[in-house]
Amino acid sequence: NIVMTQSPKSMSISVGDRVTMNCKASQNVGNNIAWYQQKPGQSPKLLIYYASNRYTGVPDRFTGGGYGTDFTLTINSVQAEDAAFYYCQRIYNSPTFGGGTKLELK
Amino acid sequence: EVQLVESGGGLVQPGRSLKLSCVASGFTFSNYGMNWIRQAPGKGLEWVAYISSGSSYIYYAETVKGRFTISRDNAKNTLYLQMTSLRSEDTALYYCARQGTNSNWYFDFWGPGTMVTVSS
Repeated sequence: NIVMTQSPKSMSISVGDRVTMNCKASQNVGNNIAWYQQKPGQSPKLLIYYASNRYTGVPDRFTGGGYGTDFTLTINSVQAEDAAFYYCQRIYNSPTFGGGTKLELK
Repeated sequence: EVQLVESGGGLVQPGRSLKLSCVASGFTFSNYGMNWIRQAPGKGLEWVAYISSGSSYIYYAETVKGRFTISRDNAKNTLYLQMTSLRSEDTALYYCARQGTNSNWYFDFWGPGTMVTVSS
């Protein structure tokens, strides 16, 4: 089974900063990665699919990248409302999620 | 507006059964694959089960295979999860989630979830 590992587990960022979080697959998964944002008390929301495609309505400050085993989610000019957990997911018929990265605002 | 609303959660003793429901609205339910995904308290996300639009294809996570059954009623726009032989490790918030368009294996809409607590 392919394991998805996210890093860091948490990060504290100031409004306006640029932040990059990572997702590493234990084997090559091509571009088959999605990213989700989950705010406290809410269900996850799809941000990015197939590594770099922004979902409908997602602000363009969110950018996904990577291929193979190493993937990134970058948020340019972080806003207060971006404080959340972020999860990567292998797009596959037995999907697996990473353990998440918690983004906190200073 | 797409809406998914889960129900049926609650407190149940180990070894007992529970059936969850998810009512869909705002889209043509019969055109989409559907999933159950769970999240234990304070933990990450775990995919549980999938059913194709016409119920022809069904997949389960190894952790629930043989104990959980996913089904759907397209006439009622409703997704189900029958859970049997429940264990403490099944305690979680259970979300129903819509498959991406063209059966892509990402999840573009999620319900608010229903909480299942397995405890004596």
